[in-house]
Amino acid sequence: AQSVTQLGSHVSVSEGALVLLRCNYSSSVPPYLFWYVQYPNQGLQLLLKYTTGATLVKGINGFEAEFKKSETSFHLTKPSAHMSDAAEYFCAVSDDRDDKIIFGKGTRLHILP
Amino acid sequence: EADIYQTPRYLVIGTGKKITLECSQTMGHDKMYWYQQDPGMELHLIHYSYGVNSTEKGDLSSESTVSRIRTEHFPLTLESARPSHTSQYLCASRGDGNTGELFFGEGSRLTVL
Repeated sequence: AQSVTQLGSHVSVSEGALVLLRCNYSSSVPPYLFWYVQYPNQGLQLLLKYTTGATLVKGINGFEAEFKKSETSFHLTKPSAHMSDAAEYFCAVSDDRDDKIIFGKGTRLHILP
Repeated sequence: EADIYQTPRYLVIGTGKKITLECSQTMGHDKMYWYQQDPGMELHLIHYSYGVNSTEKGDLSSESTVSRIRTEHFPLTLESARPSHTSQYLCASRGDGNTGELFFGEGSRLTVL
C-alpha cells in the first residue's frame, strides 16, 4: 500500500532562509507525487506535482521539489522564505493502481522575522 | 482557479441533529472525494465516487453517508450528529487519469455541541 511520511510536524525558519520540508513515500509502482499548501481556514492548493520526466519540478510561489527514486523522497525547497509562506504543507502520493491520493500528516511551516 | 464549492463554511449544531454538507463542482469531473481533517492537520479519506451512482467508503470509517445523483454534486450527510463528528470536512474532485491533481473546496468546519 502507498504511504507518505513527512518528517517534522513543525518547521521554523527565519525570513530569507532556505526552506526544506521533507517527504518520503512508499509505493511498489512508479508514484505520482504532489505537494499542497493550506492557509488558515482554507482548502488545499496544489504547489507542484511530479508524474514523469524531469525529476526537478518547479511550482508556484518559488517552490520546487526533486523526485529521487533511489531515496524514495520528494523534498520541497524554497531558496528564501517569506512571511507569507507560513502555512501547512502536505505531501501526497498516488499511482496507477487506483484513484486515491494518500496524504502525509502535514508540516506546519513557521517563518521567524 | 478551481471551481469547487462547499456550503456551509461553518456550522455549529446540537447533538442529534441531521446535517448535510454540500459540495458542487463545475469542472465536469467524474471523481470526487470527501476528506476529514483532524484539528492537528492530518487528512483522512472517508468517501469517494467515480461517477454518478458510484460511492465507496474511504480508509477512515465514518458514520456519514454520501450520494452521487448528479456529476456535479456530492453531498455528505450525518443522520445524527455527535460531538465526535466535530471536524473540518474537505471536498475535492479530480480529472481523468491518475496523474491529475485534486481540486479542493474551502472546507466545511463542523462543530457539534
